[in-house]
Amino acid sequence: NAGVTQTPKFRILKIGQSMTLQCTQDMNHNYMYWYRQDPGMGLKLIYYSVGAGITDKGEVPNGYNVSRSTTEDFPLRLELAAPSQTSVYFCASSYSDSSYEQYFGPGTRLTVT
Amino acid sequence: GQNIDQPTEMTATEGAIVQINCTYQTSGFNGLFWYQQHAGEAPTFLSYNVLDGLEEKGRFSSFLSRSKGYSYLLLKELQMKDSASYLCAVMDSNYQLIWGAGTKLIIKP
Repeated sequence: NAGVTQTPKFRILKIGQSMTLQCTQDMNHNYMYWYRQDPGMGLKLIYYSVGAGITDKGEVPNGYNVSRSTTEDFPLRLELAAPSQTSVYFCASSYSDSSYEQYFGPGTRLTVT
Repeated sequence: GQNIDQPTEMTATEGAIVQINCTYQTSGFNGLFWYQQHAGEAPTFLSYNVLDGLEEKGRFSSFLSRSKGYSYLLLKELQMKDSASYLCAVMDSNYQLIWGAGTKLIIKP
């Protein structure tokens, strides 16, 4: 099992550009999440999904979009990148939403200049 | 509002014991998680508490008091590889994790 994989590992964007962060898991988990982690701050939930075709906003969804067409994939789209979106982005998955641990991908380090 | 507090940084000596505290105020409670995060890497799961008391797992133990909104992670027989950030997270009434900023643990020989 590869677990949770993310691409790319690093990316530099110019202000106003768009990009998609890819996330795939091979554990057949229903729940998937996108977080951002800024220095000195806790992880913040951007979007989450409880199954294919179902997505919902987290704490900081503005400037982002997601889709979940399959159980395995949960891409995060950034439209019109802004410097405030400079962060490390983690995708995670879990079997369920309560007592089950979340498994994290290796992260994408994004810089917007 | 929802809030998770933990110390920013702690220093301990190899072979010693260290306790990392976490206090929380959240809308609802469906369990508390501890994760370890080495620099530049993803968080990895350490422990889960939903009932009051101590959960022991090898060198690591985690304690929860729901009435006090308090948890701690106890690390024994510290090793250099334990140098990392330790993240406390509480699952709220919407089953979303609210994360603390993390405690950076520095182990000295």
